[in-house]
Amino acid sequence: KNEVEQSPQNLTAQEGEFITINCSYSVGISALHWLQQHPGGGIVSLFMLSSGKKKHGRLIATINIQEKHSSLHITASHPRDSAVYICAVRLRTGNQFYFGTGTSLTVIP
Amino acid sequence: SQTIHQWPATLVQPVGSPLSLECTVEGTSNPNLYWYRQAAGRGLQLLFYSVGIGQISSEVPQNLSASRPQDRQFILSSKKLLLSDSGFYLCACQQGGGYTFGSGTRLTVV
Repeated sequence: KNEVEQSPQNLTAQEGEFITINCSYSVGISALHWLQQHPGGGIVSLFMLSSGKKKHGRLIATINIQEKHSSLHITASHPRDSAVYICAVRLRTGNQFYFGTGTSLTVIP
Repeated sequence: SQTIHQWPATLVQPVGSPLSLECTVEGTSNPNLYWYRQAAGRGLQLLFYSVGIGQISSEVPQNLSASRPQDRQFILSSKKLLLSDSGFYLCACQQGGGYTFGSGTRLTVV
Protein backbone atom coordinates (compact mmCIF):
# COMPACT_ATOMS: atom_id res chain seq x y z
CA LYS A 1 0.00 0.00 0.00
CA ASN A 2 1.32 3.43 -0.94
CA GLU A 3 1.75 6.04 1.76
CA VAL A 4 0.02 8.54 -0.54
CA GLU A 5 -3.08 7.70 -2.55
CA GLN A 6 -4.57 9.97 -5.18
CA SER A 7 -7.91 9.83 -6.93
CA PRO A 8 -8.93 9.76 -9.63
CA GLN A 9 -5.99 8.43 -11.63
CA ASN A 10 -7.36 9.92 -14.84
CA LEU A 11 -9.85 12.73 -15.31
CA THR A 12 -11.36 14.23 -18.43
CA ALA A 13 -13.39 17.42 -18.13
CA GLN A 14 -15.09 19.93 -20.40
CA GLU A 15 -13.70 23.43 -20.43
CA GLY A 16 -15.29 25.46 -17.67
CA GLU A 17 -16.00 22.56 -15.34
CA PHE A 18 -15.08 22.58 -11.65
CA ILE A 19 -12.46 19.92 -10.95
CA THR A 20 -11.49 18.18 -7.73
CA ILE A 21 -8.50 15.93 -7.20
CA ASN A 22 -8.14 14.10 -3.91
CA CYS A 23 -5.13 12.97 -1.90
CA SER A 24 -5.10 10.75 1.18
CA TYR A 25 -2.01 9.83 3.17
CA SER A 26 -1.23 7.45 5.98
CA VAL A 27 1.89 8.93 7.59
CA GLY A 28 2.54 11.83 9.94
CA ILE A 29 3.43 14.85 7.90
CA SER A 30 4.79 18.33 8.36
CA ALA A 31 3.59 19.62 4.99
CA LEU A 32 1.82 18.59 1.82
CA HIS A 33 2.65 19.81 -1.68
CA TRP A 34 0.59 19.86 -4.82
CA LEU A 35 2.73 19.67 -7.94
CA GLN A 36 1.91 20.09 -11.62
CA GLN A 37 3.78 18.09 -14.26
CA HIS A 38 3.31 19.13 -17.87
CA PRO A 39 3.70 16.73 -20.83
CA GLY A 40 7.32 17.79 -21.28
CA GLY A 41 7.98 16.48 -17.79
CA GLY A 42 8.88 19.66 -15.95
CA ILE A 43 7.43 19.93 -12.46
CA VAL A 44 6.07 23.07 -10.88
CA SER A 45 5.17 23.39 -7.23
CA LEU A 46 1.63 24.78 -6.94
CA PHE A 47 1.03 24.81 -3.21
CA MET A 48 2.62 23.89 0.07
CA LEU A 49 0.10 23.32 2.87
CA SER A 50 0.40 22.48 6.52
CA SER A 51 -3.14 23.46 7.48
CA GLY A 52 -6.30 25.09 6.17
CA LYS A 53 -6.69 26.37 2.67
CA LYS A 54 -4.72 28.27 0.03
CA LYS A 55 -5.87 29.94 -3.17
CA HIS A 56 -3.90 31.01 -6.21
CA GLY A 57 -5.89 32.25 -9.17
CA ARG A 58 -8.29 29.48 -10.19
CA LEU A 59 -6.57 26.91 -8.00
CA ILE A 60 -7.62 26.12 -4.44
CA ALA A 61 -5.96 23.61 -2.13
CA THR A 62 -7.31 22.41 1.18
CA ILE A 63 -5.99 20.07 3.82
CA ASN A 64 -7.60 18.31 6.77
CA ILE A 65 -4.79 17.15 9.05
CA GLN A 66 -7.07 15.09 11.30
CA GLU A 67 -8.53 13.17 8.37
CA LYS A 68 -5.16 13.02 6.53
CA HIS A 69 -6.76 14.28 3.37
CA SER A 70 -6.16 17.09 0.91
CA SER A 71 -8.00 18.29 -2.16
CA LEU A 72 -6.95 20.36 -5.14
CA HIS A 73 -9.75 22.26 -6.87
CA ILE A 74 -9.63 23.97 -10.24
CA THR A 75 -12.42 26.42 -11.00
CA ALA A 76 -13.43 27.32 -14.57
CA SER A 77 -11.06 24.72 -16.00
CA HIS A 78 -9.19 25.47 -19.21
CA PRO A 79 -7.34 23.24 -21.71
CA ARG A 80 -4.04 24.69 -20.50
CA ASP A 81 -4.77 23.08 -17.12
CA SER A 82 -4.21 19.70 -18.77
CA ALA A 83 -1.33 18.10 -16.89
CA VAL A 84 -0.52 15.51 -14.27
CA TYR A 85 -1.16 16.71 -10.74
CA ILE A 86 0.91 15.10 -8.02
CA CYS A 87 0.38 15.12 -4.28
CA ALA A 88 3.53 14.90 -2.17
CA VAL A 89 3.80 14.73 1.61
CA ARG A 90 6.81 15.67 3.66
CA LEU A 91 7.35 13.42 6.64
CA ARG A 92 7.18 14.94 10.09
CA THR A 93 10.59 13.43 10.84
CA GLY A 94 13.44 13.87 8.41
CA ASN A 95 13.30 15.48 5.01
CA GLN A 96 11.86 12.72 2.87
CA PHE A 97 8.84 13.13 0.65
CA TYR A 98 6.37 10.49 -0.41
CA PHE A 99 4.63 11.07 -3.72
CA GLY A 100 1.31 9.97 -5.09
CA THR A 101 1.21 8.42 -8.56
CA GLY A 102 -0.49 11.49 -9.95
CA THR A 103 -3.80 12.40 -11.55
CA SER A 104 -3.74 12.91 -15.29
CA LEU A 105 -6.15 15.71 -16.17
CA THR A 106 -7.34 16.45 -19.69
CA VAL A 107 -9.55 19.48 -20.24
CA ILE A 108 -11.39 19.41 -23.56
CA PRO A 109 -12.28 22.67 -25.30
CA SER B 1 14.69 32.36 -4.13
CA GLN B 2 16.42 29.16 -5.11
CA THR B 3 16.38 27.83 -8.65
CA ILE B 4 17.51 24.48 -9.99
CA HIS B 5 19.15 23.81 -13.33
CA GLN B 6 18.90 20.24 -14.50
CA TRP B 7 20.11 18.88 -17.79
CA PRO B 8 19.66 17.38 -20.24
CA ALA B 9 15.87 17.44 -20.58
CA THR B 10 15.79 14.23 -22.59
CA LEU B 11 18.37 11.53 -23.15
CA VAL B 12 18.46 8.30 -25.12
CA GLN B 13 21.30 6.00 -24.20
CA PRO B 14 22.18 2.42 -25.19
CA VAL B 15 22.27 -0.37 -22.65
CA GLY B 16 25.70 -0.62 -21.08
CA SER B 17 26.64 3.00 -21.66
CA PRO B 18 27.56 5.37 -18.80
CA LEU B 19 25.27 8.07 -17.46
CA SER B 20 25.85 11.45 -15.90
CA LEU B 21 22.98 13.77 -15.01
CA GLU B 22 23.81 17.08 -13.43
CA CYS B 23 21.84 19.34 -11.16
CA THR B 24 23.00 22.74 -9.98
CA VAL B 25 21.33 25.09 -7.57
CA GLU B 26 21.36 28.87 -7.41
CA GLY B 27 20.15 31.31 -4.82
CA THR B 28 20.90 29.32 -1.71
CA SER B 29 23.75 27.72 0.18
CA ASN B 30 24.10 24.42 2.01
CA PRO B 31 20.80 23.03 0.74
CA ASN B 32 19.59 19.46 1.05
CA LEU B 33 19.60 17.92 -2.42
CA TYR B 34 17.60 14.99 -3.71
CA TRP B 35 17.41 12.72 -6.75
CA TYR B 36 14.03 11.14 -7.50
CA ARG B 37 12.99 8.72 -10.22
CA GLN B 38 9.55 8.24 -11.70
CA ALA B 39 9.23 4.92 -13.49
CA ALA B 40 6.35 4.42 -15.92
CA GLY B 41 3.02 4.27 -14.08
CA ARG B 42 4.57 4.86 -10.68
CA GLY B 43 5.04 7.76 -8.31
CA LEU B 44 8.30 9.55 -7.73
CA GLN B 45 10.69 7.48 -5.65
CA LEU B 46 13.58 8.89 -3.67
CA LEU B 47 16.94 7.56 -4.90
CA PHE B 48 19.54 9.65 -3.09
CA TYR B 49 19.72 12.61 -0.80
CA SER B 50 22.58 14.76 0.39
CA VAL B 51 22.85 17.11 3.35
CA GLY B 52 26.31 18.40 2.44
CA ILE B 53 29.38 18.09 0.23
CA GLY B 54 30.45 14.48 -0.07
CA GLN B 55 27.51 13.26 2.05
CA ILE B 56 25.26 10.91 0.14
CA SER B 57 22.51 8.65 1.45
CA SER B 58 20.93 6.00 -0.73
CA GLU B 59 17.32 5.00 -0.23
CA VAL B 60 17.13 2.04 -2.57
CA PRO B 61 19.80 -0.34 -3.88
CA GLN B 62 20.30 0.07 -7.58
CA ASN B 63 22.55 0.51 -10.51
CA LEU B 64 23.03 4.21 -9.90
CA SER B 65 25.27 6.36 -7.74
CA ALA B 66 25.29 9.99 -6.72
CA SER B 67 27.96 12.50 -5.87
CA ARG B 68 28.07 16.03 -4.48
CA PRO B 69 31.44 17.53 -5.39
CA GLN B 70 30.34 21.09 -4.59
CA ASP B 71 27.77 22.61 -2.28
CA ARG B 72 25.35 23.39 -5.09
CA GLN B 73 26.08 20.53 -7.48
CA PHE B 74 24.51 17.09 -7.37
CA ILE B 75 25.35 14.43 -9.95
CA LEU B 76 23.59 11.17 -10.73
CA SER B 77 25.72 8.55 -12.45
CA SER B 78 25.86 5.03 -13.72
CA LYS B 79 28.78 3.07 -15.11
CA LYS B 80 26.55 0.79 -17.21
CA LEU B 81 22.92 1.56 -17.87
CA LEU B 82 20.23 -1.11 -17.72
CA LEU B 83 16.91 -1.08 -19.56
CA SER B 84 15.21 -0.77 -16.17
CA ASP B 85 16.98 2.55 -15.59
CA SER B 86 14.60 4.21 -18.05
CA GLY B 87 12.38 6.80 -16.44
CA PHE B 88 12.01 10.40 -15.43
CA TYR B 89 14.69 11.71 -13.08
CA LEU B 90 14.06 14.74 -10.96
CA CYS B 91 16.42 16.80 -8.85
CA ALA B 92 15.04 18.70 -5.87
CA CYS B 93 16.44 21.19 -3.41
CA GLN B 94 15.33 21.98 0.10
CA GLN B 95 16.44 24.93 2.17
CA GLY B 96 14.49 25.81 5.28
CA GLY B 97 10.82 25.38 4.54
CA GLY B 98 11.23 25.83 0.81
CA TYR B 99 11.32 22.93 -1.62
CA THR B 100 12.18 23.48 -5.29
CA PHE B 101 12.10 21.01 -8.15
CA GLY B 102 14.19 20.87 -11.28
CA SER B 103 12.62 20.43 -14.69
CA GLY B 104 13.57 16.78 -14.89
CA THR B 105 15.35 14.48 -17.34
CA ARG B 106 13.53 11.83 -19.32
CA LEU B 107 15.95 8.94 -19.84
CA THR B 108 15.26 6.18 -22.31
CA VAL B 109 17.65 3.25 -22.32
CA VAL B 110 17.53 1.32 -25.58
